[in-house]
Amino acid sequence: NAGVTQTPKFQVLKTGQSMTLQCAQDMNHEYMSWYRQDPGMGLRLIHYSVGAGITDQGEVPNGYNVSRSTTEDFPLRLLSAAPSQTSVYFCASSLSTENIQYFGAGTRLSVL
Amino acid sequence: SQQGEEDPQALSIQEGENATMNCSYKTSINNLQWYRQNSGRGLVHLILIRSNEREKHSGRLRVTLDTSKKSSSLLITASRAADTASYFCATDESGGGADGLTFGKGTHLIIQP
Repeated sequence: NAGVTQTPKFQVLKTGQSMTLQCAQDMNHEYMSWYRQDPGMGLRLIHYSVGAGITDQGEVPNGYNVSRSTTEDFPLRLLSAAPSQTSVYFCASSLSTENIQYFGAGTRLSVL
Repeated sequence: SQQGEEDPQALSIQEGENATMNCSYKTSINNLQWYRQNSGRGLVHLILIRSNEREKHSGRLRVTLDTSKKSSSLLITASRAADTASYFCATDESGGGADGLTFGKGTHLIIQP
């Protein structure tokens, strides 16, 4: 099993550009989440999903959209990139019981 | 807002010594988890302790939980150079829903050979 796969690993955007960060898991987990990690801030929850067709906002959702059309995939869309969105983004999945998160390797995003 | 706060922010010890990290949180929880992050990598789950448990062991790891003080500690015994990493506590808040975990800011642990 590959676990949680994130693409791309690195991305540089200009202010105002849009892009989609991809996340896929092959563990048949119900729950999927997106976090961002900034220096000195730990991880903050952006959006999460408890199953296909169901998404909700986390702590820092502004500027991001998500959808969950299948159990496996949970893409994160940046609508109009801003320098404040420069960060490392992590996707995670978990089973409903106990919510132990399995993380992808992350996407390092720079917005110029 | 973030729930967990780890203490200390950074810790440097000699190989073979024990390392203790503390975590405080604010709300009621279902469980508390500890994760490790090596530089440039994703987080890896280490251990989970449920709200009705007080202590748990896994190999060289010992976790305690005091729900009355809303605090937890992670002890790594007989540290090794490979334990150098950042360690995060994360809480699964009670009240329903699986809205991800709430992470602290982490403790950066350096093991000196």
